[in-house]
Amino acid sequence: DQQVKQNSPSLSVQEGRISILNCDYTNSMFDYFLWYKKYPAEGPTFLISISSIKDKNEDGRFTVFLNKSAKHLSLHIVPSQPGDSAVYFCAASAAGTASKLTFGTGTRLQVTL
Amino acid sequence: EPEVTQTPSHQVTQMGQEVILRCVPISNHLYFYWYRQILGQKVEFLVSFYNNEISEKSEIFDDQFSVERPDGSNFTLKIRSTKLEDSAMYFCASRDRTSSYNSPLHFGNGTRLTVT
Repeated sequence: DQQVKQNSPSLSVQEGRISILNCDYTNSMFDYFLWYKKYPAEGPTFLISISSIKDKNEDGRFTVFLNKSAKHLSLHIVPSQPGDSAVYFCAASAAGTASKLTFGTGTRLQVTL
Repeated sequence: EPEVTQTPSHQVTQMGQEVILRCVPISNHLYFYWYRQILGQKVEFLVSFYNNEISEKSEIFDDQFSVERPDGSNFTLKIRSTKLEDSAMYFCASRDRTSSYNSPLHFGNGTRLTVT
């Protein structure tokens, strides 16, 4: 069941540059999308979300873009910092599912000096 | 910042034994969840709980699993007779009292369950 896919298992970016993490979904009922960041031995930490009525949401260095026709979302981090190095999970939920989240497999971001 | 706390951080048990994983959600939250992540796999939904009852559960959440909110602060996941394949990281999560489902879940740091 691959309703939410993150096709890049890893990404390496230089400090100060932009990190772009991608996520695709197949379930057209999804209407709320979230990005979580996870460090080893910790739980997922909420970063940013977007509702399907929007195509962009921004919070400081983090921006999420949603392309509903392509069923694609992306997370942009600019400028990237070494502390951003973590695994990033895309997640989605559908109306009426009590916030049951479907997660992607994650992308490991490494921000190098 | 308030956080979801889980105990223990690591639990080792023998196959067939019962385990109880404990969680203290954020105090003003009303919606509670359990997720799990088997090593190398996705984070998977197990169950959601609201108003003292299960609101949704996945196929994974069979009769061996149960959840309870025994008092005003704790939320527990019980596995009656553990199997080797129950070995995973179990995450508790909670969401605030907003009526909109469009609010993020806040996760605890997880309990690593190892079944031998």
